Amino acid sequence: GAVVSQHPSRVICKSGTSVKIECRSLDFQATTMFWYRQFPKQSLMLMATSNEGSKATYEQGVEKDKFLINHASLTLSTLTVTSAHPEDSSFYICSASPLGGAGNQPQHFGDGTRLSIL
Amino acid sequence: GQQLNQSPQSMFIQEGEDVSMNCTSSSIFNTWLWYKQDPGEGPVLLIALYKAGELTSNGRLTAQFGITRKDSFLNISASIPSDVGIYFCAGQLMRRDDKIIFGKGTRLHILP
Repeated sequence: GAVVSQHPSRVICKSGTSVKIECRSLDFQATTMFWYRQFPKQSLMLMATSNEGSKATYEQGVEKDKFLINHASLTLSTLTVTSAHPEDSSFYICSASPLGGAGNQPQHFGDGTRLSIL
Repeated sequence: GQQLNQSPQSMFIQEGEDVSMNCTSSSIFNTWLWYKQDPGEGPVLLIALYKAGELTSNGRLTAQFGITRKDSFLNISASIPSDVGIYFCAGQLMRRDDKIIFGKGTRLHILP
C-alpha cells in the first residue's frame, strides 16, 4: 500500500538550532501534504497544508516564519523549525493523499518525528 | 472552527470484552475516519466511511457513519491485548485531499 516516510524519526538539538524534517510519499504523488503537531497525550493538531509549487496554508495561530514549509516536488515536503526553543519540542507528523484523491484514497500518515530541544 | 467531540477519553476493560467509542460534531462531514496510534508512531487508518448511514467492518472492528453526518461510532469486538492504544476519530469536510480534523482520542487499556 501507499507509504509516507518521515526523516529523521528523532532529533535532539540545542536551543536556537533550525531543524528540517522531510516527508516523502514513496509510491505515489501528492499535490497536498499536511503537517501536524502532537503534544504528549493530546490529539493531532493541524499546523499547515503544504501545496506543491505554491505557498503553504497555515492554520490560525501557527507562525509561518517559525515553521517554514517547502513542497518542491510531488513526493517531498519539508518542515523547518527555525531557531527552535524547548517549547517547540513535540511530535511532528505529516500526511499525504494520492494525487487527485480519486476513489477510496484516504490520507496516509508518516511515522512522525520526535523533536526534543534542550 | 470545526471540532470533534470524542468519548470516552479512556477505557479500562478486560480482555475479551467489546468496546464502543463515538464521535460527534457540530458540523457536517463528508468523510469519517477512524485511526489507531501506537506510542511513538503515526496514526494508522482502521476504517474509512464515505456515505451517511454506511456501516463498515474491518475484522473485529465495525464503524458507522451517522445519518446526520455529524457522528460516527467505532466498535471493537472481543478485545485482545494488541488493541491497546489510542483511537482517534477524524473527519473531512469535503474531498479526500482535504485537511483532516481529529478528535481528542480514546485511550484503550486492557486489564490483565
